[in-house]
Amino acid sequence: DAKTTQPPSMDCAEGRAANLPCNHSTISGNEYVYWYRQIHSQGPQYIIHGLKNNETNEMASLIITEDRKSSTLILPHATLRDTAVYYCIVSIYGQNFVFGPGTRLSVLP
Amino acid sequence: EAQVTQNPRYLITVTGKKLTVTCSQNMNHEYMSWYRQDPGLGLRQIYYSMNVEVTDKGDVPEGYKVSRKEKRNFPLILESPSPNQTSLYFCASSSLYSPDTQYFGPGTRLTVL
Repeated sequence: DAKTTQPPSMDCAEGRAANLPCNHSTISGNEYVYWYRQIHSQGPQYIIHGLKNNETNEMASLIITEDRKSSTLILPHATLRDTAVYYCIVSIYGQNFVFGPGTRLSVLP
Repeated sequence: EAQVTQNPRYLITVTGKKLTVTCSQNMNHEYMSWYRQDPGLGLRQIYYSMNVEVTDKGDVPEGYKVSRKEKRNFPLILESPSPNQTSLYFCASSSLYSPDTQYFGPGTRLTVL
């Protein structure tokens, strides 16, 4: 699986949009981009995934660049409960995930 | 409620004493996996199973065994635990039709003395 690079930490003000970047420059054509998050030491939670097109669901939006070498997860109105570690993963068919260190997002009041 | 359960949630044991961590899901999922999480190393996959009686090694299988005799259960077995297996363990499951969305259990914190 391709490797991803994420900033180790980010801060965001409550109520503002949180934009979490991810680089995956060696992604192959059949690999999807997945985002999960982990609140404290709970089990990771699925957020969203995509292949080429931008995706949106009730939790977040995923913007993938045209060359697919990077993506951005957007939490439109961050709340304190969104404080977590966010993982960007690339994988074929969602199996054998490799979770890197992720980005620790702190939402500040 | 759709969920993945793990037992026990916390376990302190001694080197060499065999233990089993159970994992059960009620979503009729085909895929199940075990991960371990260590500080600075992220989550690493230990074993995964694509269906009953079908298991395969992940990235860090040494020292672990699994079995998948029933679709809902995927126990993780440590035949002779060692201190380097002290970790936080997660079980996950996903559907054949939606393998992308993995549902994780609450975690088992294991300490091997």
